[in-house]
Amino acid sequence: EVQLVESGGGLVQPGGSLRLSCAASGFTFSTYGMNWVRQAPGKGLEWVSYIRSSSSTIYYADSVKGRFTISRDIAKSSLFLQMNSLRAEDTAVYYCARVASLDRRVSDSWGQGTLVTVSS
Amino acid sequence: QPVLTQSSSASASLGSSVKLTCTLSSGHSSYIIAWHQQQPGKAPRYLMMLEGSGSYNKGSGVPDRFSGSSSGADRYLTISNLQFEDEADYYCETWDSNTWVFGGGTKLTVL
Repeated sequence: EVQLVESGGGLVQPGGSLRLSCAASGFTFSTYGMNWVRQAPGKGLEWVSYIRSSSSTIYYADSVKGRFTISRDIAKSSLFLQMNSLRAEDTAVYYCARVASLDRRVSDSWGQGTLVTVSS
Repeated sequence: QPVLTQSSSASASLGSSVKLTCTLSSGHSSYIIAWHQQQPGKAPRYLMMLEGSGSYNKGSGVPDRFSGSSSGADRYLTISNLQFEDEADYYCETWDSNTWVFGGGTKLTVL
């Protein structure tokens, strides 16, 4: 069974940093691309960042480009999101999601999410 | 990049059927989408991947009551024999080269 477990969320002041983690199990982590998707309180889903299986390709939403960095550790089957220069509008539940395949790049498994609150 | 348009709300009676629509923007009518369900206070759940041909591939454990279909730029999610646990937000998702897009979501109320 595919399992994705996020951690690392919390309360941080504007301008601060936070590092999110996503522990993957139940599948061959090294062969799947991964997404980070967030959801602000009461709002819809917003894509944040993508990393290919080999880490050779990385994309970011314009709203986080230059501030967030996605990475992965194949040996630890873990996905990360380093978030710097955080703003109030980054407040959201952050989900990691597995990408189905290279030619079917939709999210086919989701974690339970971790809440990030940016506030003074 | 593609835009996905969904009605903000829908309602149907217990035991009936409902058809939710996700419309792809002009020039993107052949795109594959995914449907996701988000029950109140929970994480999204992958329901199915749906192609422009109408062919769909459901996620593990998704009940037979859930099915997909397509017509032109429209992608449909049909839920038959509605149950109270189907009351949720439903999102469609697609991608294009270097970006992923979600529809605004449809809030389904089971009466």
